[in-house]
Amino acid sequence: GAGVSQSPSNKVTEKGKDVELRCDPISGHTALYWYRQSLGQGLEFLIYFQGNSAPDKSGLPSDRFSAERTGGSVSTLTIQRTQQEDSAVYLCASSRGTGANEKLFFGSGTQLSVL
Amino acid sequence: AQSVTQLGSHVSVSEGALVLLRCNYSSSVPPYLFWYVQYPNQGLQLLLKYTSAATLVKGINGFEAEFKKSETSFHLTKPSAHMSDAAEYFCAVSEGGYNKLIFGAGTRLAVHP
Repeated sequence: GAGVSQSPSNKVTEKGKDVELRCDPISGHTALYWYRQSLGQGLEFLIYFQGNSAPDKSGLPSDRFSAERTGGSVSTLTIQRTQQEDSAVYLCASSRGTGANEKLFFGSGTQLSVL
Repeated sequence: AQSVTQLGSHVSVSEGALVLLRCNYSSSVPPYLFWYVQYPNQGLQLLLKYTSAATLVKGINGFEAEFKKSETSFHLTKPSAHMSDAAEYFCAVSEGGYNKLIFGAGTRLAVHP
């Protein structure tokens, strides 16, 4: 596609519910990243995919958070039993290669609000 | 572990004035450094990056940044601010040899007539 696409753009959920956030990276991009942007914590790295595997999951805040990537393309970030502190903008990004000097393209994010 | 400090959460300048946004980093290895911009209701966009080639890096929209190892700084400048430059700016350092970015807290730039 033309850019990184994320859906939904906004999600409001009740505390305790599970949510799934989707990311469609730019076609052909092998690396995919999830970041979180919140008022209290700023921009934080969550997880990195190289193809379908996740060499670095160190940023996932708790075991309620998980992510997968299938077919080397679409990725889903799942948050189970949501808490109010999970409210944030979840950003997905992709790059053609895996090096740090590869240009990273960000989606517009999913605004998650947990009531 | 690497970290990034951005001095000043809010900066306000007049249109046509110099823009200076400060960024200091800590890194145990030669870093890759980045400046990203986030316009209202838009995603993050790369302004420029330093990857150990030239110490003065030119980016989009007339912005540039200078890597100073002795000062562990990577300040962002633009000679003449434009109203359209109003946005939030993030400095970042990469960790791990891939795009695992450690971001600063961000600086919101306001440009007034």
